[in-house]
Amino acid sequence: KQEVTQIPAALSVPEGENLVLNCSFTDSAIYNLQWFRQDPGKGLTSLLLIQSSQREQTSGRLNASLDKSSGRSTLYIAASQPGDSATYLCAVRTSNAGKSTFGDGTTLTVKP
Amino acid sequence: DTGVSQDPRHKITKRGQNVTFRCDPISEHNRLYWYRQTLGQGPEFLTYFQNEAQLEKSRLLSDRFSAERPKGSFSTLEIQRTEQGDSAMYLCASSIRTSGVSGANVLTFGAGSRLTVL
Repeated sequence: KQEVTQIPAALSVPEGENLVLNCSFTDSAIYNLQWFRQDPGKGLTSLLLIQSSQREQTSGRLNASLDKSSGRSTLYIAASQPGDSATYLCAVRTSNAGKSTFGDGTTLTVKP
Repeated sequence: DTGVSQDPRHKITKRGQNVTFRCDPISEHNRLYWYRQTLGQGPEFLTYFQNEAQLEKSRLLSDRFSAERPKGSFSTLEIQRTEQGDSAMYLCASSIRTSGVSGANVLTFGAGSRLTVL
């Protein structure tokens, strides 16, 4: 059974700081890993998807890496802004079909 | 492309009543997923469809829960005899099963339907 852990549960940083969010998974035989952002009371917005054959993906100030052998992914956010404040969730899919397993997220607060 | 639509956005009901949620996926997406999320937790998988076929159901989906996707288009999730423990955000997501396409298997979520059972 795939288990996904995100530590820390909450993180507070000053504006402009670079930061890293962590995601760990127990079964390294994954199909893909997707990072999402969730604002309070809202649905999930996809940020980046990394296929199992890839090592990293970049979009703007965001960079996600994947190390299957160690069961880890990181989401790097450069030059953080108050608008980045949200909960960040990672989701791991183990096969082409079927469900994704989510972590409980890291709630990020970026202070002006 | 209007994204994934969910209706209603909020539902307040009394214990024992039945409720139904609707999800309209992105039109060309052949896979549709239902998840449930409670405060402070990540989404938990409930069930998924490929076209009109329901291919996987979680053990979380008790016999009070039923989901359908007639004709492989929109989907409904019905909860019968609601309990206070059913209070949660019900999230729908869709994706397209096509190999070699950029963005394939990216899950796109709707805004969710929040259920409060009194």
